[in-house]
Amino acid sequence: AQSVTQLGSHVSVSEGALVLLRCNYSSSVPPYLFWYVQYPNQGLQLLLKYTSAATLVKGINGFEAEFKKSETSFHLTKPSAHMSDAAEYFCAVRTDNNNDMRFGAGTRLTVKP
Amino acid sequence: GAGVSQTPSNKVTEKGKYVELRCDPISGHTALYWYRQSLGQGPEFLIYFQGTGAADDSGLPNDRFFAVRPEGSVSTLKIQRTERGDSAVYLCASSPGGALMNTEAFFGQGTRLTVV
Repeated sequence: AQSVTQLGSHVSVSEGALVLLRCNYSSSVPPYLFWYVQYPNQGLQLLLKYTSAATLVKGINGFEAEFKKSETSFHLTKPSAHMSDAAEYFCAVRTDNNNDMRFGAGTRLTVKP
Repeated sequence: GAGVSQTPSNKVTEKGKYVELRCDPISGHTALYWYRQSLGQGPEFLIYFQGTGAADDSGLPNDRFFAVRPEGSVSTLKIQRTERGDSAVYLCASSPGGALMNTEAFFGQGTRLTVV
């Protein structure tokens, strides 16, 4: 079955600094990849998704992610962190032959003033 | 409704009791998922329905857990003889399913289950 691994359970950046959250996937067939964000005491909200149309995907709140097949990665980035970006971020994968969606363990992003 | 609705939002039950958690998916969505999220963890897959049938129930931890979706819409997650370790937030999600495999899953707010 497909799976994702998120490297780094906690990431801390200063306000205005680059945000990089790592996600690597494992799948024997082309994957669909997703990044979700969860703010404290809230539900999961989709940030962006890769569906094979373009390798560089832009999402909400200035986030983007690049699908790199050679590295089996789908890292999430944002050029300049904002205090409101502090949240838990989850990477997820689904494939055509297996519609269930599997999540990584999550990365907690802290933004320091 | 416009989104995925889960009830109750909070449930406190005594160890050994039976509980039911309800999920009302987005109208027309054929795929429905249940996840369990413990504090500081990612959503742990429990079961996935396509229509009325459980397409994959490999994530159910043991036979105390069971889920149904009799009419292909509302789903109920049932937990028998609850244990303190069952305490978690139970998340439900739905997606259009079928040929739309590249569509994201839409999540409800979850049911926080506390077993005392």
